[in-house]
Order: sequence, then structure tokens, then C-alpha cells
Amino acid sequence: GENVEQHPSTLSVQEGDSAVIKCTYSDSASNYFPWYKQELGKRPQLIIDIRSNVGEKKDQRIAVTLNKTAKHFSLHITETQPEDSAVYFCAASKGRRDTGNQFYFGTGTSLTVIP
Amino acid sequence: GAGVSQSPSNKVTEKGKDVELRCDPISGHTALYWYRQSLGQGLEFLIYFQGNSAPDKSGLPSDRFSAERTGGSVSTLTIQRTQQEDSAVYLCASSLAGGGPINEQFFGPGTRLTVL
Repeated sequence: GENVEQHPSTLSVQEGDSAVIKCTYSDSASNYFPWYKQELGKRPQLIIDIRSNVGEKKDQRIAVTLNKTAKHFSLHITETQPEDSAVYFCAASKGRRDTGNQFYFGTGTSLTVIP
Repeated sequence: GAGVSQSPSNKVTEKGKDVELRCDPISGHTALYWYRQSLGQGLEFLIYFQGNSAPDKSGLPSDRFSAERTGGSVSTLTIQRTQQEDSAVYLCASSLAGGGPINEQFFGPGTRLTVL
């Protein structure tokens, strides 16, 4: 099965600095990599995703990069703000027609942005 | 429109009792997923439904866990003879379709299960 590892488990940055979270996956058949943000007591919400035919995707202050050869992908948040404080989860999915698009998640990164 | 809903939001039970957790997906979403989030852990895949069938049950941790989905909508996750290690937040997610082009999964608020 798929194994997703995520680092670091905790990350503190000063407001305005950048934050980087890294994930690796084991199954080369995985082709979709979403990132979810989970605020305390809230449900996870998708913030950005990337498919295996793309190396980088950007949406305002957040970007994701994917290296298929090395089987790793990263989340980059620039100009961090206090409201970025949350737990971030990466995930990988194979997107198979027969068995579905279930996500295999990393263990999460607790990001704290210090004002 | 309405998002994914789950009930109850909190459930406290005694060891050995059975519990049922309910998920109402977004209307029109054919794919439904159950995940488990233990304290300080990531989300662990449990089971996937496409319509009323479950092509992938590989994440269910033991035969005490079962799930069903009826009418292509509501799903129920049942845990029999609960154990303390079953304590976790159980999250349900739905998406437009389960196979082919990958669709965003929308998560419910979860059910926090505590087994005493």
C-alpha cells in the first residue's frame, strides 16, 4: 500500500516569513497530491492540489511542487499570517477507477505563525 | 448548499458496547469515504463507497468494524464491541465520483468517539 511521510511535525515561523512542509510517498502509481488545512476543532479543507503531470502549482501565497522521480512533494507558504496557523496534511491518491480515490495522509504539520 | 454532515458530533461509550456513526454526504456525490483520526495522528483511510457498494474495505482495522450505504446517500459506520483503542475522531468525506478524474473530497465535521 501507499505510505506517506510528512516533515516537520511542528513548525513555528515569524509572521511574514515563509514556511515549507515536505512529504514523501512510496507508491509510484500515486498521481494526485492534495494538501488539507485543519484548524483546531474544524474539518479538513482543501487548500491546493497537484496532479502528477504538473511539477508546480501556485495559488496566491501558497504553492506546491512535485518531484515524481524522487517521490516527494512540498507545500510552500509565503508571507505567512497568523491565520495560517493550523495543522496541514499532505495526501497521495492513485485515482483508480476500480478502487477509488481514497487518500493516504501524512501525519500532519502543526504550523504556528508568531505575530 | 449543505455540506457533509455527521452525527452524533460526540459519542461516549463503554468498552464492549456497539456504536453507530452516521454520515450524510453532499447531495449528488456518488463517492463516500470514511477516515479515522487518532490523537496526534494523520487521517487513516477506512472504507470507500461508490454508490452503495464498497470496492475497497482494506482500511477497516478489524472485523468489529463494518459500514453500509443505502440509497447511494447516507452511510453508517458500525463498531461492535468497542475497545479503548477505537477512541478517535471518525471523519466522513464525499466527492462527485470515485474513479477517473480525481475530485475534491469534502469532509464532514467528524464524530469524536470516546471509549471508556
